[in-house]
Amino acid sequence: EAQVTQNPRYLITVTGKKLTVTCSQNMNHEYMSWYRQDPGLGLRQIYYSMNVEVTDKGDVPEGYKVSRKEKRNFPLILESPSPNQTSLYFCASSPGAPSRLLHFGNGTRLTVT
Amino acid sequence: AQTVTQSQPEMSVQEAETVTLSCTYDTSENNYYLFWYKQPPSRQMILVIRQEAYKQQNATENRFSVNFQKAAKSFSLKISDSQLGDTAMYFCAFITRNDMRFGAGTRLTVKP
Repeated sequence: EAQVTQNPRYLITVTGKKLTVTCSQNMNHEYMSWYRQDPGLGLRQIYYSMNVEVTDKGDVPEGYKVSRKEKRNFPLILESPSPNQTSLYFCASSPGAPSRLLHFGNGTRLTVT
Repeated sequence: AQTVTQSQPEMSVQEAETVTLSCTYDTSENNYYLFWYKQPPSRQMILVIRQEAYKQQNATENRFSVNFQKAAKSFSLKISDSQLGDTAMYFCAFITRNDMRFGAGTRLTVKP
């Protein structure tokens, strides 16, 4: 089944403890991206990647890191999480340009205390 | 700066009735794409409908249709014959090159 898999689905952590949210797609898509969703703000793009070893900042990249060493994986890394990073996170992928169909993962609910 | 505005935070509609969700956007680009996404309580993001800016014809998908007014930068979603399963958060989104923007969302409740 073609899908974008995010893990974990829920995560509660403490301030400053490094964490990684994994994202993997099995559709051989070039484009992958991360978003955070907050009430009243919709989804905002954190980082995106047009292909392997190519990553670019989105609207809200501060406090986040990403890597794209393999085409299928695009992990989101929070080196030192803070409470203002408590949010719902989505990974998405698309064949070629993101103007094509964007496939979303099921989301990761992160709480930082 | 490119922005997407959904001016209706919440809406409700009776089952089988028609409802229209509003969306406006601002951009200086001429080539872009517009989308409506549905997010039910399961929080999954589901593509409802997609419109290319260069196409004058409004997109339709079964009970869902859009009213795309390029000059006015307006992209509203009409849901006909509303069903209980349409209850969800709806997001309008806009993309040009690699810059994708979402509106704040409209929470739609379909009442029996």
